[in-house]
Amino acid sequence: DTGVSQDPRHKITKRGQNVTFRCDPISEHNRLYWYRQTLGQGPEFLTYFQNEAQLEKSRLLSDRFSAERPKGSFSTLEIQRTEQGDSAMYLCASSLVQGARTEAFFGQGTRLTVV
Amino acid sequence: AQTVTQSQPEMSVQEAETVTLSCTYDTSESNYYLFWYKQPPSRQMILVIRQEAYKQQNATENRFSVNFQKAAKSFSLKISDSQLGDTAMYFCAFMRGGGSNYKLTFGKGTLLTVNP
Repeated sequence: DTGVSQDPRHKITKRGQNVTFRCDPISEHNRLYWYRQTLGQGPEFLTYFQNEAQLEKSRLLSDRFSAERPKGSFSTLEIQRTEQGDSAMYLCASSLVQGARTEAFFGQGTRLTVV
Repeated sequence: AQTVTQSQPEMSVQEAETVTLSCTYDTSESNYYLFWYKQPPSRQMILVIRQEAYKQQNATENRFSVNFQKAAKSFSLKISDSQLGDTAMYFCAFMRGGGSNYKLTFGKGTLLTVNP
């Protein structure tokens, strides 16, 4: 399978615990994005990487959130001291920047439930 | 900042019929792209169709076509000959052009159900 892969698919955690999600983009893609999707809403941009550099972070990304993309390959999104409001689907997308033909490919997402 | 509005939370259509999903957007940009994404239940989001704002011709992909009204900032999706596999959430999305970010701004989505 050469698509975007996310792990785990589902995560249930207790409030206050730390969680980490992983995203493996399509191998030749240099851009990687994280989005958050809550019930009844469309995905909202969190952050993106160009290779290993994190170039933009949304105001939605509080200090409890951190994302990395070591060596410009896979990425991790960590949430510290989880809160119930963090419950959402976390989507990863990757793209190969080709000007006007840039297209984002999405993974299946990680559904986080904080209890 | 850009906003994308989808005013139809849910829609249904009979198999083989045609349905149109609405989307409006607000932006001060002149260079941008618009997309429709499909998110089937428990599956990843996939691109259905894209439209470059500088193109007057409406995009078409097989049974999917758009009606792009730039002055009205409207971008509707028409699905012809609806199939059961078209059942999904459909998201309209905006991307600013000419920059280096390429992030997407999504609407809230429309849940389309195709009935047999």
